Amino acid sequence: VQLVQSGAEMKKPGSSVKVSCKAFGDRFTSSTFGWVRQAPGQSLEWVGRINPPLNFTTYAQKFQGRVTITADRSTTTIFLEIGGLRSDDTAVYYCAKRRGNFFDPWGQGTQVTVSS
Amino acid sequence: EIVLTQSPDTLSLSPGDRATLSCRASQSVINNFLGWYQQTPGQAPRLLIYAASSRAAGVPARFSGSGSGTDFTLTISRLEPEDFAVYYCQQYTAVSEMTFGQGTRLDIK
Repeated sequence: VQLVQSGAEMKKPGSSVKVSCKAFGDRFTSSTFGWVRQAPGQSLEWVGRINPPLNFTTYAQKFQGRVTITADRSTTTIFLEIGGLRSDDTAVYYCAKRRGNFFDPWGQGTQVTVSS
Repeated sequence: EIVLTQSPDTLSLSPGDRATLSCRASQSVINNFLGWYQQTPGQAPRLLIYAASSRAAGVPARFSGSGSGTDFTLTISRLEPEDFAVYYCQQYTAVSEMTFGQGTRLDIK
């Protein structure tokens, strides 16, 4: 599987952003995908995951209610939508395929910048 | 939530040296659900080790993982120039899903 993400986004505080991640290769319908973010100079932070066949999602507690992960099986694409953007949401957002309880492979990352 | 603490924060070594990176968990990691990732500047992380000691596909044999419970180690037996990067450990639990360590930067001395 190869994961290709959408391009960089510049957003105002309080707005929303939707980032996409297209999966090339087989096994989309039997895989789980997740999102991880990395703020500038910081470590990695798990955001949430989705199992496309079941449309089952799980979110990290700090993102619940503000983040939505969806999947479009017809285009083998995963989406991450974040509402109520704040400056501390500025980060690179990565999608990744879950392999057991780990992530492999990863998309190339999408820079989201929140600034007035 | 299990907190992972990596040490040292920065490790300065030369090509050909042996590198030993540590990851300590605040609670026991069940079923050795502990992995290691490598990240070079401007790139996405890459899975190196999963389940504490299994190498991911395509990872050179100089990388090895060990440990159990709360103490885990990533060893690079003989450093190559491309190994100088940041390394993260990651654990999984059903309650809090995935958490990552703060990272160890491996610099050229």
